[in-house]
Amino acid sequence: EDQVTQSPEALRLQEGESSSLNCSYTVSGLRGLFWYRQDPGKGPEFLFTLYSAGEEKEKERLKATLTKKESFLHITAPKPEDSATYLCAAPSGNTPLVFGKGTRLSVIA
Amino acid sequence: KAGVTQTPRYLIKTRGQQVTLSCSPISGHRSVSWYQQTPGQGLQFLFEYFSETQRNKGNFPGRFSGRQFSNSRSEMNVSTLELGDSALYLCASSLYPQGGSSYEQYFGPGTRLTVT
Repeated sequence: EDQVTQSPEALRLQEGESSSLNCSYTVSGLRGLFWYRQDPGKGPEFLFTLYSAGEEKEKERLKATLTKKESFLHITAPKPEDSATYLCAAPSGNTPLVFGKGTRLSVIA
Repeated sequence: KAGVTQTPRYLIKTRGQQVTLSCSPISGHRSVSWYQQTPGQGLQFLFEYFSETQRNKGNFPGRFSGRQFSNSRSEMNVSTLELGDSALYLCASSLYPQGGSSYEQYFGPGTRLTVT
């Protein structure tokens, strides 16, 4: 069964303290790895799609990378407004997106 | 360009009742998917529609159903509500359905359903 697993479940950072979130996947025939950001009470907001190993994409303080088994979301010098839950997902069979459980990020000023 | 809209945003129902949720996709998007989000299970796929046809369905009971109209707007219905149906129901739209290629899905704000 295809799976998407995220770690850690929760991460607490000081403002400016860089770190990485992990997303490991066991999806055969990967058709894209998606990252979303979700704020409390809101729908997920699309961040990135990665399609092949070695690919990288950046947006402000976020950079997403992809290997054959994992994706990382690197957060450089985070600010309190980066606090959110970060979700990764991948298409699997007939399911448009299978989601991981997310990493809940808190950035403290 | 307006994003995905969902109505209503909040809903309180009692067990045994039925409920209909509505979703309007981004203009030009023809595929609509529905997801259920709960603290325990996370985001789980319900169904996907394209050109008024259900293309795929997740592992949910038959009490969950949906449809898509010719203008790509979609509705989902839950009959005989149970306490466990309390969740955030999210609608996502994309240009085309997932298939041989992948298309970004853009989510609406969700409908918070509480069943008492």
